[in-house]
Amino acid sequence: QSVLTQPPSTSGTPGQRVTISCSGRRSNIGRNAVSWYQQVPGTAPKVFIYNNYYRPSGVPDRFSGSKSGTSASLVISGLQAADEADYYCATWDDDLDGLVFGGGTKLTVL
Amino acid sequence: EGQLVQSGGGLVQPGGSLRLSCAASGFAFSSDWMVWVRQAPGKGLVWVSRISDDGRRTNYADFVKGRFTISRDNARNTLYLQMNSLRGDDTAMYYCSRERGSNWNYWFDPWGQGTLVTVSS
Repeated sequence: QSVLTQPPSTSGTPGQRVTISCSGRRSNIGRNAVSWYQQVPGTAPKVFIYNNYYRPSGVPDRFSGSKSGTSASLVISGLQAADEADYYCATWDDDLDGLVFGGGTKLTVL
Repeated sequence: EGQLVQSGGGLVQPGGSLRLSCAASGFAFSSDWMVWVRQAPGKGLVWVSRISDDGRRTNYADFVKGRFTISRDNARNTLYLQMNSLRGDDTAMYYCSRERGSNWNYWFDPWGQGTLVTVSS
């Protein structure tokens, strides 16, 4: 059972907009910034969003992040086949004194 | 942005030991905290441990405390994870990564390619 809660799966068709949620507590998302990682099966994770909404260079602006209270979201607009992957949210938990990840969301592009 | 190249995984019997290595290049290794994250087969990412830039401060997930030791050699630009008393549920792909950010607002980039640890008799 992960400390951060994500939906196990989501899907969309090319061109659609999808949202992946990440729910936590005051001790984690409520106090600290959230980052998001894309992991294509068989490869290492890659950061797509950091400090809640910043995109590293090279990440398309179709990807955006937000945070409100104890929840965060990753929005992917203009869905493409190449976006099919697992997505994880992460943040620091003050009570656990450690980093916590969401359980991951498998995105399928239909 | 740098590169991390991992080595040292493999098959080990329950109760055995293994040391993972993570060689860094392309960034100021001695200036950054580093972390280990693992992923059991078919499961999600789980944070294991982190170490300060100078190697003097460490944090561990509860499930590895007393069994795993994180360390680093800044002269060799290399991060290590010494794993003792290994159990079947330690079977996972282990990733190293560079910790970015500050004041508990962190992100991780780049990541090593991963090294598979299999604990089985």
